[in-house]
Amino acid sequence: GESVGLHLPTLSVQEGDNSIINCAYSNSASDYFIWYKQESGKGPQFIIDIRSNMDKRQGQRVTVLLNKTVKHLSLQIAATQPGDSAVYFCAENNGGSNYKLTFGKGTLLTVNP
Amino acid sequence: DADVTQTPRNRITKTGKRIMLECSQTKGHDRMYWYRQDPGLGLRLIYYSFDVKDINKGEISDGYSVSRQAQAKFSLSLESAIPNQTALYFCATSDPGVDEQYFGPGTRLTVT
Repeated sequence: GESVGLHLPTLSVQEGDNSIINCAYSNSASDYFIWYKQESGKGPQFIIDIRSNMDKRQGQRVTVLLNKTVKHLSLQIAATQPGDSAVYFCAENNGGSNYKLTFGKGTLLTVNP
Repeated sequence: DADVTQTPRNRITKTGKRIMLECSQTKGHDRMYWYRQDPGLGLRLIYYSFDVKDINKGEISDGYSVSRQAQAKFSLSLESAIPNQTALYFCATSDPGVDEQYFGPGTRLTVT
């Protein structure tokens, strides 16, 4: 089966720097992607999403970029703060109408003060 | 109050025991899901339900069963727990036509 994967399992940045978390997907039929943040001891929380008819979407301090040519998704966090330390997951919907999501394994982001 | 709640939050049980994990939601969503999370493996779908009369197996349903008692309640059962079912379990909900899923806080299950 097709799956979503991540390039880097861990990322360590200094407070105030920008962070970039990458995700590769293999299902070309996927037309919707989500980034989730999971803090220690908590469930995943929605950060931002993007549909395949877009290349970029911005939220508050976060930007998601989608490159359909190489099947690559990235999450950019501006001015990273200690509270951003968490595991970040990307997920794809596999293009189906059943609204099931396939999740990547996650990247641990550590923000150093 | 949290929109998606799970009980218990932590549970230790012995091999062979039957255990039920419960999920309740106040979001009014029709769709509910149970996932399992293991280190290095991400979230894997166990079962999902698109309405009270609809139950579907996910990718790792063996050893598990579910019950959708009402729109707001979706329970996961381990009929005879085994140690490799030790994991974090998450319940999630979503609205029809919307891909975004909302997660509960999780249940940490340890089978000894």
